[in-house]
Amino acid sequence: IQLTQSPSSLSASVGDRVTITCRASQDIDSHLAWYQRKLGKAPRLLIYAASVLQTGVPSRFSGSGSETDFTLTISSLQSEDVATYYCQQLSAFPLTFGGGTNVEIK
Amino acid sequence: EVHLEQSGGVVVQPGGSLRLSCAASGFKFDDYAMHWVRQVPGKGLQWVSLITWDGTYTYYGDFVEGHFAISRDNSKNYLYLEMKSLRLEDTGIYYCARALGMGYLDYCGQGTLVTVS
Repeated sequence: IQLTQSPSSLSASVGDRVTITCRASQDIDSHLAWYQRKLGKAPRLLIYAASVLQTGVPSRFSGSGSETDFTLTISSLQSEDVATYYCQQLSAFPLTFGGGTNVEIK
Repeated sequence: EVHLEQSGGVVVQPGGSLRLSCAASGFKFDDYAMHWVRQVPGKGLQWVSLITWDGTYTYYGDFVEGHFAISRDNSKNYLYLEMKSLRLEDTGIYYCARALGMGYLDYCGQGTLVTVS
């Protein structure tokens, strides 16, 4: 199953609302996760089952979608959110990640 | 506290072999499936492999093509990745991770840098 993320990179101001999309090549129900990876750090789970916020993750992060179209939203971008964001499908093996979205501060 | 401690970085020649290890603590290891994922330069995150809680079932990414093998020792709380016939494109940072529910990666180790050169 292929996952296509867009955009591949974005630059936004602190406080902006940021939206990243992930499109699956086939129906994956809600079996999708979003991860944040900061430079030199391990991936961090943000959202699972498409819309469930992982414990400890700030509420400005949210996820939505089902079947083939999914969205990660940061409601008010903070400087500490500079990172690369990945979606991952867990509907079928082999599991796959999207290509990533680099988020920078303008 | 959940902790996954990975073995140190290594340099290996093309065609060589090595074994990565991941020591788990702070949770009941044999209650969880475990993953390996990697960060390859210029290619983002790639899922490598998953092993079920008891080691009965293993799954691999398409690119593995039989030259990696995942295993675990529940008596020692260790996860392993045997890598053979290594290629230049296997260079990257390899992370072990615990699988939550469907298999979401909820905790990761600190990463092991593998350099094939």
